[in-house]
Amino acid sequence: DGGITQSPKYLFRKEGQNVTLSCEQNLNHDAMYWYRQDPGQGLRLIYYSQIVNDFQKGDIAEGYSVSREKKESFPLTVTSAQKNPTAFYLCATAGGEVEKLFFGSGTQLSVL
Amino acid sequence: GQNIDQPTEMTATEGAIVQINCTYQTSGFNGLFWYQQHAGEAPTFLSYNVLDGLEEKGRFSSFLSRSKGYSYLLLKELQMKDSASYLCAVIDSNYQLIWGAGTKLIIKP
Repeated sequence: DGGITQSPKYLFRKEGQNVTLSCEQNLNHDAMYWYRQDPGQGLRLIYYSQIVNDFQKGDIAEGYSVSREKKESFPLTVTSAQKNPTAFYLCATAGGEVEKLFFGSGTQLSVL
Repeated sequence: GQNIDQPTEMTATEGAIVQINCTYQTSGFNGLFWYQQHAGEAPTFLSYNVLDGLEEKGRFSSFLSRSKGYSYLLLKELQMKDSASYLCAVIDSNYQLIWGAGTKLIIKP
């Protein structure tokens, strides 16, 4: 089935630890995005990539890093510099007639 | 600054009709999306409006007035499965998506 796979569903981070969230897609979309969702707030853009080997910072990139070595994959690393990482993280691709977003099922990251 | 306003929470009765409003102040406008999100799940696409007027799709309709910076999502014949958050998002002049905080819709029997 075509779609976006995010893993893991739940992730726990210890103090000072880096963690990586996986996002894989087989929709053949060029554009991929990482969003952070906190209760009571709109989705906030962390990073996005329009093409392989290229990515841009979004509104809240500090404390995060990404790579785009393959069209299908756009992993997000939450570094120890991100002091408040607890949130729901959503990966998305864009495609179709109106470039609507297709979302993965999300990863809930919590701090131990 | 750019801003999108939606009510935080609404309650409606099964079988009834509910209208969820979205007002926006953005630097330019290139379209508006509505998404549905069940708790802990991915948002799913509901509608896209770029011209003024009403777009109907089954039980759901979306309306846009660009001059008023206003949209609404109309849900008819409400079902319990419609209990979810509804997210409004606007594409600004730089083709960036600006998201509202979402409206949590509670359906009661």
